[in-house]
Amino acid sequence: AQKVTQAQTEISVVEKEDVTLDCVYETRDTTYYLFWYKQPPSGELVFLIRRNSFDEQNEISGRYSWNFQKSTSSFNFTITASQVVDSAVYFCALRDLSGTYKYIFGTGTRLKVLA
Amino acid sequence: ETGVTQTPRHLVMGMTNKKSLKCEQHLGHNAMYWYKQSAKKPLELMFVYNFKEQTENNSVPSRFSPECPNSSHLFLHLHTLQPEDSALYLCASSQEADRDTEAFFGQGTRLTVV
Repeated sequence: AQKVTQAQTEISVVEKEDVTLDCVYETRDTTYYLFWYKQPPSGELVFLIRRNSFDEQNEISGRYSWNFQKSTSSFNFTITASQVVDSAVYFCALRDLSGTYKYIFGTGTRLKVLA
Repeated sequence: ETGVTQTPRHLVMGMTNKKSLKCEQHLGHNAMYWYKQSAKKPLELMFVYNFKEQTENNSVPSRFSPECPNSSHLFLHLHTLQPEDSALYLCASSQEADRDTEAFFGQGTRLTVV
């Protein structure tokens, strides 16, 4: 069965600190896709990144970076030099091609960045 | 206007009311989704439409009735709801349901059932 676990329910950091949000997934498929979304207080989920299971290269986009490790089934997200605007709930999601094409979401991690 | 738009943003309804949630996407996508977000729970997929055909009904109670008249519009008709149905209802769209592309979400409708 597919599953996404975000063990950190809530994290608080002080502005300019680095923070890593953990994501562990389970799937029996060899082809799958992983996503991170940000949900600010306004409600909509904002797409951040998509990664397929054959591409284990880490990715950096500005202050955001992602570490994908198939060996540990993890897809962690790091924010460098956090800012107050980064405060939001962050969701990790999995999508495989087993037939249902569902996006399976974790329970989310609430990040609070304090000024 | 671009993206995924949901109306209304907030809705309070009694258990005997009938109301509808509306979702519209201007992205040229062919797949649309309804998700339910309750406190402290993962997002729950409710329905999937691909090219206007329903491809997924995730064991949703019949008091929730989806309608997809075209690829740009998705409705969720509500009747005789229960207080535990209070949640944020999110609509999303993606290029097609069976491709690897990301989904784009609306801001949601915050539903309160009294």
